[in-house]
Amino acid sequence: GAGVSQTPSNKVTEKGKYVELRCDPISGHTALYWYRQSLGQGPEFLIYFQGTGAADDSGLPNDRFFAVRPEGSVSTLKIQRTERGDSAVYLCASSGGGGDTQYFGPGTRLTVL
Amino acid sequence: AQSVAQPEDQVNVAEGNPLTVKCTYSVSGNPYLFWYVQYPNRGLQFLLKYITGDNLVKGSYGFEAEFNKSQTSFHLKKPSALVSDSALYFCAVRDPYNFNKFYFGSGTKLNVKP
Repeated sequence: GAGVSQTPSNKVTEKGKYVELRCDPISGHTALYWYRQSLGQGPEFLIYFQGTGAADDSGLPNDRFFAVRPEGSVSTLKIQRTERGDSAVYLCASSGGGGDTQYFGPGTRLTVL
Repeated sequence: AQSVAQPEDQVNVAEGNPLTVKCTYSVSGNPYLFWYVQYPNRGLQFLLKYITGDNLVKGSYGFEAEFNKSQTSFHLKKPSALVSDSALYFCAVRDPYNFNKFYFGSGTKLNVKP
């Protein structure tokens, strides 16, 4: 079946611009996670959704970052006033009940010039 | 705070030889431990997990991991490496007090030479 998909695969933007990154989870998966992976590092937790609500957003670095999942399926990570330090690969993962095994998408590589 | 450490940035092994990728953990409470593999331009793929029970956990692609509570380790192993095993491997731990949070190590690049 279809896995987790993320669009775009690459995004280049200029400092100060607004970007949206999209995640399509595996159909039926209620849990959705966003991670940020900087070069040479492991994924770093950003936010977790259970259904439509953000159950845990403690990993968002500041108020420029926001994520939504209005219908409990597709999620969008939004970054305002991007900074060069936001450059990273943003990973999305989903899981079914229990939430321990996560299925990751290929990521969106964000480059802020 | 929960964390995992992968002390080796890179592991080199010859095809056919056994491989070990090391991971140590620091967890207050019972550890839930995972291994993931990442191939270039692809997302992380689940390999195996330890929740409870047998200390030797078997996973995908012939990989296994040994949970050692006294050494707080969860090393990934395979008896005979393949060139196709060359990838980036991540150890992760689930926060026992917040099941929604996972902490990943910095990754170990495995190079299997023919």
